[in-house]
Amino acid sequence: SQTIHQWPATLVQPVGSPLSLECTVEGTSNPNLYWYRQAAGRGLQLLFYSVGIGQISSEVPQNLSASRPQDRQFILSSKKLLLSDSGFYLCAWSEWTAYGYTFGSGTRLTVV
Amino acid sequence: QQPVQSPQAVILREGEDAVINCSSSKALYSVHWYRQKHGEAPVFLMILLKGGEQKGHEKISASFNEKKQQSSLYLTASQLSYSGTYFCGSTNNAGGTSYGKLTFGQGTILTVHP
Repeated sequence: SQTIHQWPATLVQPVGSPLSLECTVEGTSNPNLYWYRQAAGRGLQLLFYSVGIGQISSEVPQNLSASRPQDRQFILSSKKLLLSDSGFYLCAWSEWTAYGYTFGSGTRLTVV
Repeated sequence: QQPVQSPQAVILREGEDAVINCSSSKALYSVHWYRQKHGEAPVFLMILLKGGEQKGHEKISASFNEKKQQSSLYLTASQLSYSGTYFCGSTNNAGGTSYGKLTFGQGTILTVHP
């Protein structure tokens, strides 16, 4: 069966520090991968999505970037965090457009 | 464009029914429904594809009216475990440049009391 792992679960980082969040999927190949952010009490905002290795589409211009170095690995990065980057970051995967998303357990990021 | 959900919040007693609506200004290819408990990740409930189908999942079912570009989630005989925030998500085409990319509504907070 397929599983998705996301880490770390919580993170407190100072403003201006770098960020790296990792997500891996097991039990499937060539999944569609997504990064979402959820501000406190708000909806889910799509940040990046990828349909294959090295292919990244950005939805929201900002100081975040994403990479997909391997088929089942998706990384969210920043060189310098802003206070506004705080939120709940969720990685998700799906097989195809007609399938639901499976979300990772999320990373709660607080920038101080 | 983000689909619009209504109502924003619902408060129920156990055993009561609720309907959550999701509408879009763009033609829909599919509608997804998710439930998120506080502090947790969203969990997939069901997907409805273009074609006006209706789906059921125990006492939770949904309909998709492609002409009206809207979907409704029906929760019957609600249980305490139904509490959470419900999100609809929509895709506007089958693939192409969308790649199944979901745009979520703002969520509906459902609270079920004993």
